[in-house]
Amino acid sequence: GAVVSQHPSRVICKSGTSVKIECRSLDFQATTMFWYRQFPKKSLMLMATSNEGSKATYEQGVEKDKFLINHASLTLSTLTVTSAHPEDSSFYICSAPRPPGNIEAFFGQGTRLTVV
Amino acid sequence: AQSVAQPEDQVNVAEGNPLTVKCTYSVSGNPYLFWYVQYPNRGLQFLLKYITGDNLVKGSYGFEAEFNKSQTSFHLKKPSALVSDSALYFCAVRDMDNTDKLIFGTGTRLQVFP
Repeated sequence: GAVVSQHPSRVICKSGTSVKIECRSLDFQATTMFWYRQFPKKSLMLMATSNEGSKATYEQGVEKDKFLINHASLTLSTLTVTSAHPEDSSFYICSAPRPPGNIEAFFGQGTRLTVV
Repeated sequence: AQSVAQPEDQVNVAEGNPLTVKCTYSVSGNPYLFWYVQYPNRGLQFLLKYITGDNLVKGSYGFEAEFNKSQTSFHLKKPSALVSDSALYFCAVRDMDNTDKLIFGTGTRLQVFP
């Protein structure tokens, strides 16, 4: 079946550095991918929609210069957390709707980011 | 605007007993509804979906859900709970203004006790 792979699963970085998270669709092409952030014991907050070949669409309140999204190919989207701060520590999850019809979405395994 | 509500933060059930995790929705038009499960420090796993057809939808791991249009509900059910079912469950509806985007409920933590 369709699989979405997210890497790394866990990362610890120092304040002020940048961290890149990759999301790959392994056996289908995804023109659209979604990036979510999940706080402890909370639901998923949609951060942005990643669009292949064009700029990402950010949700209200999400800093586009802070969370850089690049959808360079039909199977890869990346989220870069720039100049990370401890408050950026969270669980980040990507998803990609599966063609045809894009009715069902598949999720990556998630990335636990800890900024120290 | 489309929305999904999961009224229970947590559901506790004894192993072997039936379980229900509630979900209600608000959409214009016919909804596309989904249930996902999340285990600790993992992404979401698809359980089942309702698009059209039979109101009772069967999914993975013995779960099923019943679409009730008059009550705008899509409750998740399982006849006999397992301890391994303990996880966080999310109901979602497709955003009809953006057909690729999902709107999630706040999640319900299911705890199955031995």
